[in-house]
Order: sequence, then C-alpha cells, then structure tokens
Amino acid sequence: AQSVSQHNHHVILSEAASLELGCNYSYGGTVNLFWYVQYPGQHLQLLLKYFSGDPLVKGIKGFEAEFIKSKFSFNLRKPSVQWSDTAEYFCAVKDGTDKLIFGTGTRLQVFP
Amino acid sequence: DAGITQSPRHKVTETGTPVTLRCHQTENHRYMYWYRQDPGHGLRLIHYSYGVKDTDKGEVSDGYSVSRSKTEDFLLTLESATSSQTSVYFCAISSLAGLTYNEQFFGPGTRLTVL
Repeated sequence: AQSVSQHNHHVILSEAASLELGCNYSYGGTVNLFWYVQYPGQHLQLLLKYFSGDPLVKGIKGFEAEFIKSKFSFNLRKPSVQWSDTAEYFCAVKDGTDKLIFGTGTRLQVFP
Repeated sequence: DAGITQSPRHKVTETGTPVTLRCHQTENHRYMYWYRQDPGHGLRLIHYSYGVKDTDKGEVSDGYSVSRSKTEDFLLTLESATSSQTSVYFCAISSLAGLTYNEQFFGPGTRLTVL
C-alpha cells in the first residue's frame, strides 16, 4: 500500500534559520504531491502542490518544495523561518485513486 | 476559505452512545472525506464519498458509517462510541477540473471526547 514518511517528527529552530523537512513516498507511478500546514488550533491549509512540470514548486509564505522522482521525495524548504511559521506540517500524496495519503506530520517550533 | 462547516465543533459523550457528525459544504464539490487526527498518526482516512449515495471505506473505517443523501452534506456516524474514537475529526472536500484532481480543502474540525 502507498505510504508517506516524514522522518522529522519535531524540529526546533531559531528565527532566520533555514528549514528543510523531509517527505518520502512509496508509490512508483504518477503522483500528485502536497504540503499542508496546520497552525495551532486551526484546520489544515494548503502550502503548495505539485502535479506536473517544473519539479521546484513555490508556495505561499516563502515556502518551496522540490520533487525528486528518483528519490521518491518531496522535501519542503524555507530559507529563513519566522516565529509565525510555528505549526505542524503534513506531506500528502495522491496516487491513482481518489484518496490522499498523509504523513504523520512534523511539528516545527520557531523561537525568536 | 472554502465553504465547509462542521457540527458540532465539540462534543463529549459516553461509551456506547451513538454519535453523528455533520459536514456541510457550499462549494458543490463532488468529493467529500472524513479523517481523524491523532498524535503520532497524522490524518487517517475513515470514509469518503465520490458522489451522492456513493461512498467507500478508508484505512480506519471500523466502527464508523457514513451517508451522503445530498451533495452538500456528508454525515459520519459512530454507532456505539468507544474511548478509542476520542479524536479530532476533519471533513475535507475536493473537486475535479476535467481529469485533473484538485487539492482537498479542510473544515474546522470536531473535537470528540468519549468518556
């Protein structure tokens, strides 16, 4: 079955530090890839998505992600984090079905 | 934000009682989903619907049933609630643009506590 791995469960950074969160998936066919963010006490919001084309995807709030097909990866990056980026981040993959498979999430804490 | 509401937003109930959660959308989207969110597990799909009266199971469907009699409403029922069903429940919707699947939009969530 399709699975999504987020190896970083909890990341702690200072403001202005760079961020990279890992996401790996297991499906070998065509995929659609997503990163969602969940701020404390809120619902999930879409950060960015990859369907096809340029493997470097830019999203909201300065986030970007790179799809590397050979590595089955879709890592999330941000060059300089802010305190307001404190949240939980979820990677999700859609294969050939109508469903998304979510990773277990990465909790990011940013300290001023 | 997408027009998705969930009711109730919070509920405390006792083991063995039936519980129904409602998801309502104003976007006329074809697909609707129910997830549960638990620490260390991320979001797990319970059931989903791909049209009126068309539903299918997700990975954690045991103990849950769903119904969709109208495009805008997707109901999740716990026939006999158990403490293991204490969780935050999220509804999501999505659409197709031709053959392209669009992203899912999430509702505000329902926090359910089963005592």
